[in-house]
Amino acid sequence: AQSVTQPDIHITVSEGASLELRCNYSYGATPYLFWYVQSPGQGLQLLLKYFSGDTLVQGIKGFEAEFKRSQSSFNLRKPSVHWSDAAEYFCAVVPLNNQGGKLIFGQGTELSVKP
Amino acid sequence: DADVTQTPRNRITKTGKRIMLECSQTKGHDRMYWYRQDPGLGLRLIYYSFDVKDINKGEISDGYSVSRQAQAKFSLSLESAIPNQTALYFCATSLTGELFFGEGSRLTVL
Repeated sequence: AQSVTQPDIHITVSEGASLELRCNYSYGATPYLFWYVQSPGQGLQLLLKYFSGDTLVQGIKGFEAEFKRSQSSFNLRKPSVHWSDAAEYFCAVVPLNNQGGKLIFGQGTELSVKP
Repeated sequence: DADVTQTPRNRITKTGKRIMLECSQTKGHDRMYWYRQDPGLGLRLIYYSFDVKDINKGEISDGYSVSRQAQAKFSLSLESAIPNQTALYFCATSLTGELFFGEGSRLTVL
């Protein structure tokens, strides 16, 4: 079945440590790819997106993501985590055969940051 | 002011009641969406609309209906609310694939 998978439900990292959040998708053709962040009590904010071209994408707040076609992955990274990065992170895709551009979301990964 | 505004932000209601969640946007986008968020399930699409005359079901439309009153307004209704519709509901708009979200409406059905 077509899906978006975020294998880690909850991750805890120390402030200043590096971060990688995983995302895998199972669609035949490369979809459009997104990462969103949701802070407590807030809506979702776009961190970055990939449509085509350079497979390393830079986003806001110091985040980046790398698209790897061979692994059907779009992992989110940050070299040094700040306490304010504690939030829930969602990977999402728009399959290319998806009329209407409907985003399909992963289950989310909750990030906690230790002082 | 927010580009995508949802009302109410919080609502507690009883089983069997009719509830309407409203969404308005100032982004000028044609595409609007209603999603539902549940812990551990991410966001799931309820309904979406390409323009005023176009309404489409998402993956979990049962028990819900929508109305696109104008380009800027897209309402979600629960005709007879049930407890498993307790969730956080998001409205979103889109122009080129990226979604812009409202701040959410938290609905509790007792």
